[in-house]
Amino acid sequence: EDQVTQSPEALRLQEGESSSLNCSYTVSGLRGLFWYRQDPGKGPEFLFTLYSAGEEKEKERLKATLTKKESFLHITAPKPEDSATYLCAVRKGANSKLTFGKGITLSVRP
Amino acid sequence: DSGVTQTPKHLITATGQRVTLRCSPRSGDLSVYWYQQSLDQGLQFLIHYYNGEERAKGNILERFSAQQFPDLHSELNLSSLELGDSALYFCASSVTGGATNEKLFFGSGTQLSVL
Repeated sequence: EDQVTQSPEALRLQEGESSSLNCSYTVSGLRGLFWYRQDPGKGPEFLFTLYSAGEEKEKERLKATLTKKESFLHITAPKPEDSATYLCAVRKGANSKLTFGKGITLSVRP
Repeated sequence: DSGVTQTPKHLITATGQRVTLRCSPRSGDLSVYWYQQSLDQGLQFLIHYYNGEERAKGNILERFSAQQFPDLHSELNLSSLELGDSALYFCASSVTGGATNEKLFFGSGTQLSVL
């Protein structure tokens, strides 16, 4: 069965303190790994899609990387506005379904 | 604002009742997806419709049904409600639903509370 595990469940950082969020997956025939950001009371918002091991994508203070077993979301010098829940999801084969992890709640203190 | 509209934002009802959640996708998007989010299960895929036809089904209960209308809006019907159905229900849309790199645009969700 496809599994997506995110760790840690929650992370508290000081403003400017860089860190990484982990997403481990067990999927045969991976066709894409997605990162979404979810703010309280809102729906998930798309951040990145990664397709193959070694691929990296960046957006402002965020950088996503992918290996054959996991993905990392690196946050460099975070700001309080980066506080949110970060969700990882995988898509396999021709299936349109996304399988999500339970998310990592990030809190950045000023 | 994602462009996906969900109504109502909050719904409080009793066990055994039936409710309908509504979703209007972004202009031009042909696919609509329904997801259920709870604290213990996270985001769970329910069903995907493309241009009025069912494209994929997840672990959707038989008490739940959905449809997509000719104007592309979608409705999720939940019947014989149980306490465990209390959750946040999200609708998402995408342009086609067939491309592997296609990102989903989520609405703000409907918070369902079954008392």
